[in-house]
Amino acid sequence: QSVLTQPPSASGTPGQRVTISCSGSSSNIGSNIVNWYQQLPGTAPKVLIYSNNERPSGVPDRFSGSKSGASASLAISGLQSEDEADYYCAAWDDSLIAWVFGGGTKLTVL
Amino acid sequence: EVQLVESGGGLVKPGGSLRLSCAASGLTFSSDNMNWVRQAPGKGLEWVSSISPTSGYIYYADSVKGRFTISRDNAKNSLCLQMNSLRAEDTAVYYCARGGSSLQRLDRFDAWGQGTLVTVSS
Repeated sequence: QSVLTQPPSASGTPGQRVTISCSGSSSNIGSNIVNWYQQLPGTAPKVLIYSNNERPSGVPDRFSGSKSGASASLAISGLQSEDEADYYCAAWDDSLIAWVFGGGTKLTVL
Repeated sequence: EVQLVESGGGLVKPGGSLRLSCAASGLTFSSDNMNWVRQAPGKGLEWVSSISPTSGYIYYADSVKGRFTISRDNAKNSLCLQMNSLRAEDTAVYYCARGGSSLQRLDRFDAWGQGTLVTVSS
């Protein structure tokens, strides 16, 4: 049982916009920044979004992040087949004094 | 280009010990927080431990507290994870990840190694 809650799966067709939610509490998302990671099959994770809505250089602007209260969202617009991957949210938890991850969302491009 | 290369994984019996290493290059290692994150087979990511640049701030997940010890050698650009009293549930790919140069709660995890597999089984 993960501290941050994500839907286990999401799907969309090429060109569509999909969103992945991440629900937490006042001790994690509610009071700290949220990062998002993409993990392609068989590879190490890669940061997609940091500090709620910042994109590292090289990440397409099709990817965007937002946060409201104790929840966060990752939006992917203009869905492409290469976006098929697992996506994880993460935040620092002040009560646990630890980083916590969501359980991950498997995105399928139909 | 930032490179993180983990080593030291392998098969170990329950109750045994293993020491993982992460060799870093292409970054100012002595200025960065460093982390270990693991992923059990077919499962999600689990943060394990974090260490600040001068080792002054060290944090552990409850699941490994008292059994694992994180350390670093800034002169050798090296990060280590000493794992004792290993259990079957510690079986996972272990990644080292650069956090950032600010507070650990602001870490980005913006560079990851390829991971090293630890299997705990009799």
